[in-house]
Amino acid sequence: QKEVEQDPGPLSVPEGAIVSLNCTYSNSAFQYFMWYRQYSRKGPELLMYTYSSGNKEDGRFTAQVDKSSKYISLFIRDSQPSDSATYLCAMSAASNTGKLIFGQGTTLQVKP
Amino acid sequence: GAVVSQHPSWVICKSGTSVKIECRSLDFQATTMFWYRQFPKQSLMLMATSNEGSKATYEQGVEKDKFLINHASLTLSTLTVTSAHPEDSSFYICSARAGGNSGRIADTQYFGPGTRLTVL
Repeated sequence: QKEVEQDPGPLSVPEGAIVSLNCTYSNSAFQYFMWYRQYSRKGPELLMYTYSSGNKEDGRFTAQVDKSSKYISLFIRDSQPSDSATYLCAMSAASNTGKLIFGQGTTLQVKP
Repeated sequence: GAVVSQHPSWVICKSGTSVKIECRSLDFQATTMFWYRQFPKQSLMLMATSNEGSKATYEQGVEKDKFLINHASLTLSTLTVTSAHPEDSSFYICSARAGGNSGRIADTQYFGPGTRLTVL
C-alpha cells in the first residue's frame, strides 16, 4: 500500500463547476500538507499549505485536512479552463528533513 | 514570479556524454535542495536530497556515481548525469526548501520549471 493514495483521474468538468480533489494517507505522523498544481512540461507550483488539521481558503481554492480520517481535500470553486492541470497532494512528517511524499496526481480538465 | 530556476530547460545529448543541470534559488537561501525525476503521466520520484556543504543523500535504487550532485552554495545545486544513456531520458525537477528567515513559507519546497533530458 502506498503511503499516499490519490485518484489519477482524469477528471473532466464543465467550466464553473466545483471541483473536489482528494488524497488519503496512512502515516499518522504527517503534519504538513500541501497541494501543488503542475501544468504539462512545467514544474509543480505551490497552491496551498496547511499545517495539521483544519481548513484554509485562498481565493477560489479551499484546502481541508482531516487527520482523524487521514484525508485531505482541495476544492476549486468556479473552475476555469486555466485550472486544467495535474494536481499533486504532498505531505511530510517532520520539518527537519523536509522530505515530501507525493500522491500520484489527479489530472483535471475544465471544459469551456 | 519564479523563485527557483533551472538551466537548461531542455537538452539533447549523445549516449555516453555527461550533462549538468543547474538549480538556483533566486530570492532565498536554501540549505536543502531536492532532485526529482518524473516520467510521463507519473508523479515525482525523489532521487536525492542535497545539503549545502555536505554529501547528498540518495534514495534507494538511485546510483550516486551516475547522478552526481553538488550543492556548493546556499543558492546553487547541480545534478550531473554521467555517461548518459537513452534510459536516462526524463524530466528532471529540482526544488529548494525555504528556511525560517527566507520570507517564504518555512519548510516548504519551491520547485524549478524542470529540465527535459533526451539522450540519443
